[in-house]
Amino acid sequence: TQLLEQSPQFLSIQEGENLTVYCNSSSVFSSLQWYRQEPGEGPVLLVTVVTGGEVKKLKRLTFQFGDARKDSSLHITAAQPGDTGLYLCAVRPGNTPLVFGKGTRLSVIA
Amino acid sequence: GAGVSQSPSNKVTEKGKDVELRCDPISGHTALYWYRQSLGQGLEFLIYFQGNSAPDKSGLPSDRFSAERTGGSVSTLTIQRTQQEDSAVYLCASSLSAIAGGNEQFFGPGTRLTVL
Repeated sequence: TQLLEQSPQFLSIQEGENLTVYCNSSSVFSSLQWYRQEPGEGPVLLVTVVTGGEVKKLKRLTFQFGDARKDSSLHITAAQPGDTGLYLCAVRPGNTPLVFGKGTRLSVIA
Repeated sequence: GAGVSQSPSNKVTEKGKDVELRCDPISGHTALYWYRQSLGQGLEFLIYFQGNSAPDKSGLPSDRFSAERTGGSVSTLTIQRTQQEDSAVYLCASSLSAIAGGNEQFFGPGTRLTVL
């Protein structure tokens, strides 16, 4: 059983469209991170959310942490081809290394 | 260098051979992590080091896998008697500390291992 469930697994959209991807769990976490991984590269941290209900914005990306701190969403407005990549959420259960979800693979077509 | 570096970037080996993968973390980072990423999968945690010690080896898939870190810097991941199911991208990351929560992990570009 995966600690973090990410959906959808794959998403292919046209440039300019909006999209939302999700990261869900039955457990409560003190914080949650989102990473993006481009082909041939390692993941890069986008944001850390720590407060239930928190919303953080990074240009066209909006991240929300659920009120109960069990889930999170990432919304991209007017997607660009440069947004293409694997989006991973990650948590740290207790004092342990990060645990990652399987990710959402996004492809934005020009 | 400014970031985490890994070598080689690609490794093709024959089943049964041993391989060594190297990770050079960001200078000053005391924590170092190894992950494995198979095709279509997320990151599977293998092992981490705080300094030279490895408090958690629970993620190593089998006793063919081992890792060491000397001098609190460079780490090597060794896979003995490689099998085809070992084929994956092996990612290394480092952070300031493994103890403080929320510390950002900086990843290297990975080593793509192919076992024929």
